[in-house]
Amino acid sequence: NAGVTQTPKFRVLKTGQSMTLLCAQDMNHEYMYWYRQDPGMGLRLIHYSVGEGTTAKGEVPDGYNVSRLKKQNFLLGLESAAPSQTSVYFCASSSQRSPLHFGNGTRLTVT
Amino acid sequence: EDQVTQSPEALRLQEGESSSLNCSYTVSGLRGLFWYRQDPGKGPEFLFTLYSAGEEKEKERLKATLTKKESFLHITAPKPEDSATYLCAVQAYDSGNTPLVFGKGTRLSVIA
Repeated sequence: NAGVTQTPKFRVLKTGQSMTLLCAQDMNHEYMYWYRQDPGMGLRLIHYSVGEGTTAKGEVPDGYNVSRLKKQNFLLGLESAAPSQTSVYFCASSSQRSPLHFGNGTRLTVT
Repeated sequence: EDQVTQSPEALRLQEGESSSLNCSYTVSGLRGLFWYRQDPGKGPEFLFTLYSAGEEKEKERLKATLTKKESFLHITAPKPEDSATYLCAVQAYDSGNTPLVFGKGTRLSVIA
């Protein structure tokens, strides 16, 4: 039982490059989330989804886009990476009866 | 705006030295308060959910309590393996599913 799987685990980008982070969950959860974690800032919500085909903005959505074409997958895109997007990105999923389950993160560095 | 404040930011304990971590919150209507543990290089791991003032939950050396304004995570006779960052989060009551709001965490170090 894998839970929440994030790929890749590490990535280095140059300013202006684009990339997509993939999150997959095998728990049949309705809700999925993308957070970023920075030293001294805690976990901050970027975007989330309450079901297949739906997305909503969180606290810090600028510079990111998301898609949820399948219930089990939630993609986070950076169209033009900036150094301020250097962070650890966590995906999480939950349901009405289950608390948030997190993946182990993607460590992104933008130079 | 929902807010969560955790204190202290960091705590260093000797093995066996009991202590408490604090989580103060403001929320429009509390649906649940959550405690998570995060080890370095890992994602947060769920510990407890508390729903109403007066509720308590225990797991091994950890005990979480809840009042109308704050929650405490009591650690009794900690061991080095309890070293981690402990995160508190609240979920506001809504008709749908409201995302959790997290505090910045307390970094606990237990020294043998």
